[in-house]
Amino acid sequence: ETGVTQTPRHLVMGMTNKKSLKCEQHLGHNAMYWYKQSAKKPLELMFVYNFKEQTENNSVPSRFSPECPNSSHLFLHLHTLQPEDSALYLCASSPAGDRGHYGYTFGSGTRLTVV
Amino acid sequence: GQQLNQSPQSMFIQEGEDVSMNCTSSSIFNTWLWYKQDPGEGPVLLIALYKAGELTSNGRLTAQFGITRKDSFLNISASIPSDVGIYFCAGFTQGGSEKLVFGKGTKLTVNP
Repeated sequence: ETGVTQTPRHLVMGMTNKKSLKCEQHLGHNAMYWYKQSAKKPLELMFVYNFKEQTENNSVPSRFSPECPNSSHLFLHLHTLQPEDSALYLCASSPAGDRGHYGYTFGSGTRLTVV
Repeated sequence: GQQLNQSPQSMFIQEGEDVSMNCTSSSIFNTWLWYKQDPGEGPVLLIALYKAGELTSNGRLTAQFGITRKDSFLNISASIPSDVGIYFCAGFTQGGSEKLVFGKGTKLTVNP
């Protein structure tokens, strides 16, 4: 596979559940990102990882917990979410240090519904 | 923080018409990017611009990096139904953090 792959594509979870979103990239990039996309809102950057180290947490509630075990994989662990957390969660990657030239490559997203 | 003002918010056009959308900012950008997001998918890069005044084409798409480095536009000529989607401008600011700043998007609907 090539590009950025996100699984699952769709997820419905209750507010007391624990679930995880997975992102995998085969582009040789060293920076990975989680974005939240809600209706009628701009893309919201949640977390940034460079070379497996978290370099940014954009005031994200602790019910979202990211994990980056290596430069190719990124997870978003979810627990005790609220209905307003329902959104499309997008993963992206870029070459660290040269992202201005290439921008970010996005996955297809996970459509999350919290019931 | 940096903001990108993208307009229009939505457009409804007939197949075959030309489309124009733009982004402006109070900050200076050193890279402008235009993405398209199809329904249910992630954004895909269409065009990247790196120099003030640069005009770049990708098929029926043309984008320009404004001379002031605070704006950019995207034109789509002879629209077709598969042009439907949300178009985002994005950019990296000069001297800013290396975070990609996004506009709110322009939702394009093309009527056959």
